[in-house]
Amino acid sequence: GQQVMQIPQYQHVQEGEDFTTYCNSSTTLSNIQWYKQRPGGHPVFLIQLVKSGEVKKQKRLTFQFGEAKKNSSLHITATQTTDVGTYFCAVPGAGGYNKLIFGAGTRLAVHP
Amino acid sequence: EAGVTQSPTHLIKTRGQQATLRCSPISGHTSVYWYQQALGLGLQFLLWYDEGEERNRGNFPPRFSGRQFPNYSSELNVNALELEDSALYLCASSLATGHGGEKLFFGSGTQLSVL
Repeated sequence: GQQVMQIPQYQHVQEGEDFTTYCNSSTTLSNIQWYKQRPGGHPVFLIQLVKSGEVKKQKRLTFQFGEAKKNSSLHITATQTTDVGTYFCAVPGAGGYNKLIFGAGTRLAVHP
Repeated sequence: EAGVTQSPTHLIKTRGQQATLRCSPISGHTSVYWYQQALGLGLQFLLWYDEGEERNRGNFPPRFSGRQFPNYSSELNVNALELEDSALYLCASSLATGHGGEKLFFGSGTQLSVL
């Protein structure tokens, strides 16, 4: 079935440093979504990317979808303590009625 | 507007018992999804219901089952509980399109502990 690899598993940064997490798929994706889960919280939708090479920005967050639509990245510029949490990518599963498959997530720790 | 609501917040059971978890989707959403999140791990897809029917199922044994009611709320039942069933069970809802592009809105989850 559809799988998506997400790296790194864990990233520890000093406040003000940049952070990037990557998602890779072996198959071409119709779209990819990104979610954030704060410690003790539930996943919250951040963004959806659909077009090849698409780049979207949300304040300090930059999302990219690869030209081949097989990979994506989330980059945070100048991290803040409020960025702490786990970032998940999510892709449609294979076959009909495409359930959403989540990557393993990247846990971000930000030290002041 | 109310978000996705789940009950109970916490549930403690012993091995072999049955657990029932409930979820009410956002008004107007017809699709309900269930995910299992074991401690420190990612989200594992369990079940997807839309318009009262099971649309897709993850790689879980048959003792994990559920249903969706006419008002689109949903129930997840876990029979013959095992210790490894201890996890956060998250429910999400969406406007159903069936094309895998739906944005999911998650509830706060039910923390199930099996002793």
